[in-house]
Amino acid sequence: DQQVKQNSPSLSVQEGRISILNCDYTNSMFDYFLWYKKYPAEGPTFLISISSIKDKNEDGRFTVFLNKSAKHLSLHIVPSQPGDSAVYFCAAVPPGGNTPLVFGKGTRLSVIA
Amino acid sequence: DAGITQSPRYKITETGRQVTLMCHQTWSHSYMFWYRQDLGHGLRLIYYSAAADITDKGEVPDGYVVSRSKTENFPLTLESATRSQTSVYFCASSESSTGGNSPLHFGNGTRLTVT
Repeated sequence: DQQVKQNSPSLSVQEGRISILNCDYTNSMFDYFLWYKKYPAEGPTFLISISSIKDKNEDGRFTVFLNKSAKHLSLHIVPSQPGDSAVYFCAAVPPGGNTPLVFGKGTRLSVIA
Repeated sequence: DAGITQSPRYKITETGRQVTLMCHQTWSHSYMFWYRQDLGHGLRLIYYSAAADITDKGEVPDGYVVSRSKTENFPLTLESATRSQTSVYFCASSESSTGGNSPLHFGNGTRLTVT
């Protein structure tokens, strides 16, 4: 049973436009959500996070939105740049504090110049 | 340099062989993790460790063994490699179990091919 779902395996966006990556989850008790970014031949790196008590967190060109009623979060990148081309993983923190992150399967973003 | 390093970066082995993937971190993070990344499956947790001599199974532990005698090292051993274990393996460390307030730091991975 997949608790964190990224239903779009890939996404292509033109440079300068907005990229929107989506993530759905099934457990309403998740405490925290994170996005990781992964370039080829490198490990994932932390990008941005949001607590379950908030509905928005912004860091430069990156904004994460959380809709708890819909159990949905999204990552917005504005404006998109070619260097943003990577695989993006959504992850959730289970309740209780002692269980590791649950990751989605990832979405490959291609930003076309 | 501070960080998390994995070795080897690439490994080819034969079915039935034992192989050990190494992971070393210099932050003195309490928690360490092993993930595998496969097409269509994303990142799946194999094992994790809360401290030296404490390890727990993740989502896909079968066929793997871990140990943590020192805080900084967390080797992953495939006791008898199978083709289904062909994958990219990532080690990670964190100050917390979940990486909520203290995100996971990943190594650059080991690409393992089992022939």
